[in-house]
Amino acid sequence: GENVEQHPSTLSVQEGDSAVIKCTYSDSASNYFPWYKQELGKGPQLIIDIRSNVGEKKDQRIAVTLNKTAKHFSLHITETQPEDSAVYFCAASIDSSASKIIFGSGTRLSIRP
Amino acid sequence: DTEVTQTPKHLVMGMTNKKSLKCEQHMGHRAMYWYKQKAKKPPELMFVYSYEKLSINESVPSRFSPECPNSSLLNLHLHALQPEDSALYLCASSLRTGTDTQYFGPGTRLTVL
Repeated sequence: GENVEQHPSTLSVQEGDSAVIKCTYSDSASNYFPWYKQELGKGPQLIIDIRSNVGEKKDQRIAVTLNKTAKHFSLHITETQPEDSAVYFCAASIDSSASKIIFGSGTRLSIRP
Repeated sequence: DTEVTQTPKHLVMGMTNKKSLKCEQHMGHRAMYWYKQKAKKPPELMFVYSYEKLSINESVPSRFSPECPNSSLLNLHLHALQPEDSALYLCASSLRTGTDTQYFGPGTRLTVL
């Protein structure tokens, strides 16, 4: 089955700097890669996703890149702000009716003022 | 409206109690999910309903019993739980199963004494 590895487990960056979180997946059939942000006491919220027919996607300060050959994808947050502090999960999924989202282990991002 | 609601927010129960968790969405989604999340871990899939039929049961103990009364509601009936079942229980929904975006509710924080 699919396995998703995520690094680093914790990340602390100065406010205004960039943050990068990296994930690798094992199943070459995976073709959907969402990123979720989970704040304390809340459920995960989708922040951006990418499908395998696209190499990069950007939404304001957030971007995701996908390298299907190497089976890895990354989340980039630029100009970080205090409200970016949260746990971030990457995930991978295959487009089938029996598919499940497989989550990475999570990255706790802290923004230093 | 991309909201999934869950009640109650918090629940404390003894090992002999019977309780239910409720989840509701009005986005017209036909796939609904139950996840269990322990502290500092990613969500773990428990059950998937597709068009009100149970499509995935991730070998969950029978003390957890899901129910989907209609396309907007999802329940999780709890009976004879163990202290190790204490966790955050998350409900999610998506248009269909597969790679449609899953929207998560805020979760129910369950404590089993």
